[in-house]
Amino acid sequence: GENVEQHPSTLSVQEGDSAVIKCTYSDSASNYFPWYKQELGKRPQLIIDIRSNVGEKKDQRIAVTLNKTAKHFSLHITETQPEDSAVYFCAASKPGGYQKVTFGTGTKLQVIP
Amino acid sequence: KAGVTQTPRYLIKTRGQQVTLSCSPISGHRSVSWYQQTPGQGLQFLFEYFSETQRNKGNFPGRFSGRQFSNSRSEMNVSTLELGDSALYLCASSLGQGESEQYFGPGTRLTVT
Repeated sequence: GENVEQHPSTLSVQEGDSAVIKCTYSDSASNYFPWYKQELGKRPQLIIDIRSNVGEKKDQRIAVTLNKTAKHFSLHITETQPEDSAVYFCAASKPGGYQKVTFGTGTKLQVIP
Repeated sequence: KAGVTQTPRYLIKTRGQQVTLSCSPISGHRSVSWYQQTPGQGLQFLFEYFSETQRNKGNFPGRFSGRQFSNSRSEMNVSTLELGDSALYLCASSLGQGESEQYFGPGTRLTVT
């Protein structure tokens, strides 16, 4: 089955700096890669996703890149703010008439004011 | 549209008991997935239901079961509870294809004593 590895497990950055979280996946058939943000005590929320026909996607301060050959994808947050502090999960899913999403183990991001 | 709802939000049970958790998906979503979230293991996939049929199952013992009703609401049951079953149980709904976005409920916090 699919295996998703996520690094680092914890990340501390100064406010205004950039943060990068990296994930690798094992199943080359995976083609959908969402990222979720989970604030303390709250539900995971989708913040950005990318499909395999796209190499990069941006949404304001957040960007995701995908390298299908190397089977890795990354989340980039620029100009970090204290409200970016949360746990971030990457995930991978295969196409088809079913849904089984495999999540990474999460990265706890702390933005220091 | 109303979001995904889960009931109850908190539960305290004793070892050996059984428990039933409920999830109501977003209107129009036919897929409901269940996840177990623990601090050390991240988000572990339990199973996914689509149109009342279980399409996928994760690596959990048979004590974990579920079902889905014709209105897409889903229930998850855990029998013969163990201390290790203490966790946050999240459900997520989607349209059901491999590339569909998933929307999470607030979760049910289960504590087994």
